[in-house]
Amino acid sequence: GAVVSQHPSRVICKSGTSVKIECRSLDFQATTMFWYRQFPKQSLMLMATSNEGSKATYEQGVEKDKFLINHASLTLSTLTVTSAHPEDSSFYICSARGPLEGGEETQYFGPGTRLLVL
Amino acid sequence: RKEVEQDPGPFNVPEGATVAFNCTYSNSASQSFFWYRQDCRKEPKLLMSVYSSGNEDGRFTAQLNRASQYISLLIRDSKLSDSATYLCVVNAGGGGGYNKLIFGAGTRLAVHP
Repeated sequence: GAVVSQHPSRVICKSGTSVKIECRSLDFQATTMFWYRQFPKQSLMLMATSNEGSKATYEQGVEKDKFLINHASLTLSTLTVTSAHPEDSSFYICSARGPLEGGEETQYFGPGTRLLVL
Repeated sequence: RKEVEQDPGPFNVPEGATVAFNCTYSNSASQSFFWYRQDCRKEPKLLMSVYSSGNEDGRFTAQLNRASQYISLLIRDSKLSDSATYLCVVNAGGGGGYNKLIFGAGTRLAVHP
């Protein structure tokens, strides 16, 4: 099946620093990738939809200047949390819109990045 | 009202038990429905899609009631390895092309010996 990787898996940083998270589709081309955030005991919340070669589409309430998304190639999307603060501490998960399986659109999820801002 | 609602649980059941989870969704235009499984501190993984006619995959049976906007998942003969959080997922629907997925907060299942 299709594989999506994320790097780093875990990051601890000081308040005010920027953190970049990479999401890669390893064995397929992904024109669309998604970035989610999940706080403890809550559902995954879509932050933005990333389309290769164009600007990301952000969900309501998500600051595009704080969460910078770049999808420069068909296998890589990056999320940069700029000037991170403790309230940005969360589990960030990417997914890629993958090849059809059984005629259905499928999203393949990366393993997630756990961010802790001190 | 949340777009996708689930009973958070936890459901504590013994091995071999049958357990059922329910989910309701608010967007009548939704066209695709899924159950995902999420283990602690891991990413969600697709368990099964849910079709209008109902579908079964081994010990797992999923059903959809469009009129009531209700989805269910039945797990028979529970195993210890079934312990996880089960996420009800619905596509946003209503637009052309691919629609984003909306996740429920999940129902936690704990299977004990």
